[in-house]
Amino acid sequence: GAGVSQSPSNKVTEKGKDVELRCDPISGHTALYWYRQSLGQGLEFLIYFQGNSAPDKSGLPSDRFSAERTGGSVSTLTIQRTQQEDSAVYLCASSLGLAGKTQYFGPGTRLLVL
Amino acid sequence: SQQGEEDPQALSIQEGENATMNCSYKTSINNLQWYRQNSGRGLVHLILIRSNEREKHSGRLRVTLDTSKKSSSLLITASRAADTASYFCATDGNYQLIWGAGTKLIIKP
Repeated sequence: GAGVSQSPSNKVTEKGKDVELRCDPISGHTALYWYRQSLGQGLEFLIYFQGNSAPDKSGLPSDRFSAERTGGSVSTLTIQRTQQEDSAVYLCASSLGLAGKTQYFGPGTRLLVL
Repeated sequence: SQQGEEDPQALSIQEGENATMNCSYKTSINNLQWYRQNSGRGLVHLILIRSNEREKHSGRLRVTLDTSKKSSSLLITASRAADTASYFCATDGNYQLIWGAGTKLIIKP
């Protein structure tokens, strides 16, 4: 079956503009995660959705970041008033939702803020 | 917060040699997973080892787990150029995985 997909693959924007990143998880996966990865660094957890529960937003770095998941499937990560330090690869992953289960990653969106 | 710490941060070996990477963690776990990442894109799951297992094999991969030392190692035998990637360990948290910073592996031809 289809894996996790993300769009766009690459995004170049100007400082101060808003961007929306999209994630399409594997069908049937109830858990969805957003991570950020700066060049050469590890994964930074941003936000987690599980079913219909309230999302865990504890990793969001500022109130400029928000995410939603519609209908328990597709998710969008929105960054408002982008800053140069937001430049990174944004990775989405989905899993069956049970603790410790394997996560399946999308190819990521490479964001560059000029 | 990151629980796992990989060691070394970077490793460069000749093709055909074996590569060993280590991961240490801090709290008790149910399982530990290893992932590979090529070219800064999405991660690919390699292997999962449960806390009651000491060793697991998958093709050229061998993973060991020592819960008393809170550490795991990933051995890649007979390395190939295609093994060039970053390797991450992840341990299970409450509802999410806790990631290490990764080991960057370079296989020289």
